[in-house]
Amino acid sequence: QSALTQPASVSGSPGQSITISCTGTSSDVGYYNFVSWYQQHPGKAPKLVIYDVSNRPSGVSNRFSGSKSGNTASLTISGLQTEDEADYYCSSYTSSSTLVFGGGTKLTVL
Amino acid sequence: EVQLVESGGGLVQPGGSLRLSCAASGFIVSSKYMSWVRQAPPGKGLEWVSVIYSGGSTYYADSVKGRFTISRDNSKNTLYLQMNSLRLEDTAVYYCARDRSSYGAPGAFDIWGQGTMVTVSS
Repeated sequence: QSALTQPASVSGSPGQSITISCTGTSSDVGYYNFVSWYQQHPGKAPKLVIYDVSNRPSGVSNRFSGSKSGNTASLTISGLQTEDEADYYCSSYTSSSTLVFGGGTKLTVL
Repeated sequence: EVQLVESGGGLVQPGGSLRLSCAASGFIVSSKYMSWVRQAPPGKGLEWVSVIYSGGSTYYADSVKGRFTISRDNSKNTLYLQMNSLRLEDTAVYYCARDRSSYGAPGAFDIWGQGTMVTVSS
């Protein structure tokens, strides 16, 4: 159950777009369309922003979008806003009937 | 209001035991997949711990298999995590989380508790 691989940090200016990658294997990200993304502000519980690769929960801004190609899933945030500054985590269902998270990416809005 | 409230965290010595509770309101725990997720301090990443399906099947991360047990009490609408043989590396904030689905695969946690801190130290 190795963690999914995410970049430690990404940054962007307000109004720009950024993409965070999440690389797994053919036993998790590459096999199932059960990838989720979470946003976590300091001291707060995580918040679901994308599920099943590209679906947005009700109430989540359409500036958040998800995609997948092979063993790599991606989260794109367009029109960056200061409140988007947070940690982002991906997760995937695995062939072992377990779940695995990525190591997390710190997004800085410059 | 849909809500999860954890309790039961605290300081425990290595090798000790602790039981976490997660009281749910606004929905029926047994109708959803429910998981425990932990986060080691300070500011470490999320780690999935265990899931209980609506049908009662349970699964665990390798790091806790054989030591932790997930369960629920339908009459109390409460989720539990029994933690035995605790290790230093089990120190973390433990969150209970509700899956948005009750079919297919788990992993889309739409409701989270506030977390309860477990510290394993001598």
